[in-house]
Amino acid sequence: QVQVVQSGAEVKKPGASVKVSCKASGYSFTTYPLHWVRRAPGQRLEWMGCINTGTGFAIYSQKFQDRVSITRDTSATTAYMVLSSLRSDDTTVYYCARSGDTTCYSSINYWGQGTLVTVSS
Amino acid sequence: EIVLTQSPGTLSLSAGETATLSCRASQSISSNYLAWYRQNPGQPPRLLIYDASSRATGIPDRFSGRGSGTDFTLTISRLEPEDFAVYYCQQYVNSPLTFGGGTKVEIK
Repeated sequence: QVQVVQSGAEVKKPGASVKVSCKASGYSFTTYPLHWVRRAPGQRLEWMGCINTGTGFAIYSQKFQDRVSITRDTSATTAYMVLSSLRSDDTTVYYCARSGDTTCYSSINYWGQGTLVTVSS
Repeated sequence: EIVLTQSPGTLSLSAGETATLSCRASQSISSNYLAWYRQNPGQPPRLLIYDASSRATGIPDRFSGRGSGTDFTLTISRLEPEDFAVYYCQQYVNSPLTFGGGTKVEIK
C-alpha cells in the first residue's frame, strides 16, 4: 500500500534552516510527483512546491521561492524540503503528499502524517 | 494566483442531515481541475473529490461534487460522525496550487 512517512518534529531558532524528509513507498517512486503543503496562519492550507521525482525538477510557490528547496533521492525513495531564514510565523505543520497523477498539476491523494516545525528563540 | 473563497465559514448540522458547501474561484478553472478534501482534527487532509465530480478511491457515494467555471459545490448526504470536520477545496490548473479557506461542519 502507498505510504508517505515524514521525519519528526523540529525546533529551530529564528534565521536557521530546517530540513524535513519524506519517505514514500508502495509504488514506483519516480512516477508520481511529491508536494509540500503547510498550514498557514488562520488554518488555510498553503502549497509550497512540488518535485517531479523522475527528473528532479521542482516548481515553487512564488511566496517561498527564495527560501525553499525541494530535492529527492531516488535510491532512498525520499524527498526533502529545506526552508531557510526561518521566522516565528513559519511555526506550523508541514505535509508531504503524493500527486494523484503524473504531473504536479493534480489533486493530492496520499498525505504524510505532518511534521511540526517550531521556530523559537 | 487563483483565489478560492469557501462559504459558509461554519455549517451547524445534525447527523443524518445534508451539507452543501460552496467554493468560488477568482477566475475560471479550466478542465474542472478542482478537488475537495476533508480534514479531521490531528489528521492530514483526505482527498474526497477530484476533477470537480469524481470520487476518490474508497469515498462513499454520500459525497458528490459538481460545478464548472468559477462555482463548485460539495454535497454530503446523511452526515456521519466522522464528517464533522473541516473541508477544503483546491485548484490545480495553475501554479501556485491554491486552497480555499475551509468550511467547518460542526455538530448542531
